[in-house]
Amino acid sequence: EAQVTQNPRYLITVTGKKLTVTCSQNMNHEYMSWYRQDPGLGLRQIYYSMNVEVTDKGDVPEGYKVSRKEKRNFPLILESPSPNQTSLYFCASSLIGYGDTQYFGPGTRLTVL
Amino acid sequence: AQSVTQLGSHVSVSEGALVLLRCNYSSSVPPYLFWYVQYPNQGLQLLLKYTTGATLVKGINGFEAEFKKSETSFHLTKPSAHMSDAAEYFCAVRPYTGAGSYQLTFGKGTKLSVIP
Repeated sequence: EAQVTQNPRYLITVTGKKLTVTCSQNMNHEYMSWYRQDPGLGLRQIYYSMNVEVTDKGDVPEGYKVSRKEKRNFPLILESPSPNQTSLYFCASSLIGYGDTQYFGPGTRLTVL
Repeated sequence: AQSVTQLGSHVSVSEGALVLLRCNYSSSVPPYLFWYVQYPNQGLQLLLKYTTGATLVKGINGFEAEFKKSETSFHLTKPSAHMSDAAEYFCAVRPYTGAGSYQLTFGKGTKLSVIP
């Protein structure tokens, strides 16, 4: 089944404790992206990647890091999480081409205490 | 820069009534346009998209949307609401070309409630 998977689905952590949220897709998509969803703000892009070893900032990159060492994986790293990073995070992937659809993972709900 | 405005953060309709969710975009050239739906505790699922060609686009679950260039709009409609349509709906745009042409810009979402 074609899908985007994220782990963990739920995470509660404390301020300053480094964490990684994994994202993996099995559709051989070049493009991958991370979004955060906050009430009343919709989804905002954090980082994206056009291919292996090619990443760039989205609209809200502060406090986040990403890497793209393999085509299928695109982990999101919070080196020193803060309470304002409490949010619902989505990973998405797509082919690069004419009007291609982005497919979303199920989401990771992160709480930083 | 692109922006997306969804009019109404909450919309309530009766079961069987028309669903109309409004989306307007701001862009120097017509972008690609998308509607996504998010059911409770789930990720986003594509409902429909406009890329080029016919301006009336049909999607899943009986939804459709019409691209109106003159009005910079892409409103989502469904003739008869069903209880299972209760969800949050997001309009999104992507540039046709140029820098950031794979970046989706989302509206803030409209939560649809269906009253029995």
